[in-house]
Amino acid sequence: ILNVEQSPQSLHVQEGDSTNFTCSFPSSNFYALHWYRWETAKSPEALFVMTLNGDEKKKGRISATLNTKEGYSYLYIKGSQPEDSATYLCAFLIQGAQKLVFGQGTRLTINP
Amino acid sequence: EAGVAQSPRYKIIEKRQSVAFWCNPISGHATLYWYQQILGQGPKLLIQFQNNGVVDDSQLPKDRFSAERLKGVDSTLKIQPAKLEDSAVYLCASSLQLAGYYTGELFFGEGSRLTVL
Repeated sequence: ILNVEQSPQSLHVQEGDSTNFTCSFPSSNFYALHWYRWETAKSPEALFVMTLNGDEKKKGRISATLNTKEGYSYLYIKGSQPEDSATYLCAFLIQGAQKLVFGQGTRLTINP
Repeated sequence: EAGVAQSPRYKIIEKRQSVAFWCNPISGHATLYWYQQILGQGPKLLIQFQNNGVVDDSQLPKDRFSAERLKGVDSTLKIQPAKLEDSAVYLCASSLQLAGYYTGELFFGEGSRLTVL
């Protein structure tokens, strides 16, 4: 059974501070790693799809890195804003498989 | 471009009753997914369709859950009879192709929140 672990499970950050959290996944037979942001009462939306070891992707104040050899990805948020409050989900796809396996998410709350 | 549509947004039923959820994916998306997200857990894939064929339903409790995508477009997920542990958000998603052949993202609907009393 594939296990995708996210840490921490929840996080409170002061507005303006930067933060980061982790997604750990099996290091063998890697195919892709997805990050999604899920705001309350909205649909989850994709942030990044990462496929190459050493990949770094950026979207505004949010960036992500990928290490497939050791099986982890970091998501960074610079200068947190209240609108960043959401659950951040990562999902792992193994080579040859057809389904994404999601982690349990990191729930981020930005305190004004 | 219209997003993934789901209905109803909220449903409260008593145990042993039945419920159905509907999903209309983004036009042209061949792959449709139903996920179950229980509070505190990550989304779990229940069933995955490619056009109107089932690709994976290994985690679908087939004694009570059923799903169809008859014309390869919209889909219905049914639970009959419901149990307390079925309380969850049911997310529908779609993508251009199967995840294993495609490095694009999934597009999700807003979900249907089910409460079983």
